[in-house]
Amino acid sequence: KQEVTQIPAALSVPEGENLVLNCSFTDSAIYNLQWFRQDPGKGLTSLLLIQSSQREQTSGRLNASLDKSSGRSTLYIAASQPGDSATYLCAVRTRDNYGQNFVFGPGTRLSVLP
Amino acid sequence: KAGVTQTPRYLIKTRGQQVTLSCSPISGHRSVSWYQQTPGQGLQFLFEYFSETQRNKGNFPGRFSGRQFSNSRSEMNVSTLELGDSALYLCASRDNHSNSPLHFGNGTRLTVT
Repeated sequence: KQEVTQIPAALSVPEGENLVLNCSFTDSAIYNLQWFRQDPGKGLTSLLLIQSSQREQTSGRLNASLDKSSGRSTLYIAASQPGDSATYLCAVRTRDNYGQNFVFGPGTRLSVLP
Repeated sequence: KAGVTQTPRYLIKTRGQQVTLSCSPISGHRSVSWYQQTPGQGLQFLFEYFSETQRNKGNFPGRFSGRQFSNSRSEMNVSTLELGDSALYLCASRDNHSNSPLHFGNGTRLTVT
């Protein structure tokens, strides 16, 4: 059964710092991995999607990497801003006994202090 | 393009009642999936519909059911509500390319008293 973990659970940094969020998964047989952010009481906003054949994806100040063989992905945020404060979740698209579905990590709660 | 729309935003029900939640996907998206989010269990997959057929299902009891209409809009129903069903219910849509991303709505906050 696929399990996804995220470290750290919470992170507080001053504005301007570069930071790395980690995501680990137990079964390397994934189709893709997607990073999301969630603001309080809201839905999830897609940030980046990495196909299983890719190593990384970039969008603006965000860079996500994927090492499928070791079951790890990182989300790098450059020059953090207070507006980046949110919970960041990773999800892997995988196959289990019920078919294909997405398995989510518990999230990292990020606070960027002005 | 309009995003994923979920209605209602908030619901308060009592134990034993049933509830129906609605989701309108992004135009052109034929896949709709539903998720339950709670502080204790995080985000858990409920089921996915494509072209009016349930394609995948998570590990939830039969009280949780859904359907999809010909216009791709989807409804989720929970019968015989329990206190533990209190959660944020999120709907996501995506197009049919096998590796396309999920796009989420803002969710329906269900409180069972």
